[in-house]
Amino acid sequence: RKEVEQDPGPFNVPEGATVAFNCTYSNSASQSFFWYRQDCRKEPKLLMSVYSSGNEDGRFTAQLNRASQYISLLIRDSKLSDSATYLCVVNGARYSTLTFGKGTMLLVSP
Amino acid sequence: GAGVSQSPSNKVTEKGKDVELRCDPISGHTALYWYRQSLGQGLEFLIYFQGNSAPDKSGLPSDRFSAERTGGSVSTLTIQRTQQEDSAVYLCASSPSWGVTYEQYFGPGTRLTVT
Repeated sequence: RKEVEQDPGPFNVPEGATVAFNCTYSNSASQSFFWYRQDCRKEPKLLMSVYSSGNEDGRFTAQLNRASQYISLLIRDSKLSDSATYLCVVNGARYSTLTFGKGTMLLVSP
Repeated sequence: GAGVSQSPSNKVTEKGKDVELRCDPISGHTALYWYRQSLGQGLEFLIYFQGNSAPDKSGLPSDRFSAERTGGSVSTLTIQRTQQEDSAVYLCASSPSWGVTYEQYFGPGTRLTVT
């Protein structure tokens, strides 16, 4: 099983739609979880951290399910500017470093 | 304030040549990371520096790759005898301190093409 797995997509949705991405991780000892966003040919930027109790930031909601070892990201009321690749990030076997998933591409159309 | 900067932004080199890539982290950030991202692939961890501690080199793919961090600030990633499979975007990130709970701030990357 890969350390961090994501559906590569692309997810094609119209503006205003709600879309959800899942990510699974293999290391049951992982403690830190994040979603990063990467625009085309740009560097990754932190979107949000993922907390055990779940957390929300505006239109974005992140959930963590430790028992099943997966993380989700829900985007409500999608905007054209949400088009990007969303990277699931987990601290892996080497505690001091992060392992990045390959990302899920989202395309929001008018 | 200034973010992470990297130079050059693009580098084209011939197979077999050596290249040096530079990273200037955010001032005051003690942790520095190098990753590479090949087309359509995820970020691959290469090396990690934290303060004056010995770097974590566990991600370097071969002994052709090495990195230094001078004075706890600027870092240089060196690739010797470049191969075509080294072509990728090399990303540097810095973080305020050690530990995976801290956000990593990425530079714009160096796009390396080996011909």
